[in-house]
Amino acid sequence: SYVLTQPPSVSVAPGQTARIICGGNDIGTKSVQWYQQKPGQAPVLVVYDDSDRPSGIPERFSGSNSGDAATLTISRVGAGDEADYYCQVWLSSSDHAVFGGGTKLTVL
Amino acid sequence: QVQLQESGPGLVKPSQTLSLTCTVSGDSMSSISYYWSWIRQPAGKGLEWIGHIYTSGSTNYNPSLESRVTISVDKSETQFSLKLSSVTAADTAMYYCAREKAWVNAWGGYFDYWGQGTLVTVSS
Repeated sequence: SYVLTQPPSVSVAPGQTARIICGGNDIGTKSVQWYQQKPGQAPVLVVYDDSDRPSGIPERFSGSNSGDAATLTISRVGAGDEADYYCQVWLSSSDHAVFGGGTKLTVL
Repeated sequence: QVQLQESGPGLVKPSQTLSLTCTVSGDSMSSISYYWSWIRQPAGKGLEWIGHIYTSGSTNYNPSLESRVTISVDKSETQFSLKLSSVTAADTAMYYCAREKAWVNAWGGYFDYWGQGTLVTVSS
């Protein structure tokens, strides 16, 4: 089965840039989505199709995808960005969606 | 503005069938642009896609749950439902319904609107 691997946690100082990696075999050939989930809330889509942002998502959120890793980059991080972040792809070979294990972003 | 709302029993006994309904407002479930999905999350753990249904009625399920899952659309086309049979404590989770924006010229999509979730506990 296809596995998406994320680091359990990432820490960053306020105002700095956070990078969250999502690893998967040839993930660069797939479209990657990223979701933000704050405690007690439903996930929110922040990036889709590797690097597109839904309306209302700040430009500080960006994505890239190549080879065996996709990256969510959050610039000028603030306390409001503290959350769990999940990557997701669709597996056309077996027709189902897969999520990464999630990364907890802590703003120091 | 699309809104989704889950409803159903919060407590299910082991070996019984979990049944949830998602009510959709602000959008047409008959649109060819979307699937309608169920996703769950055990407390303190990650997200797990359960399955989805398309306007045509076609479904796809997570292979790990496929033998126990049925997703259907209500005739009113304003609700869709999840049935998960033979539940155990491992099925205790927050269950979310979501709208899945379909890719053009490809299967699957991404989850652009989510319900607030409903907690289901499996216990005797």
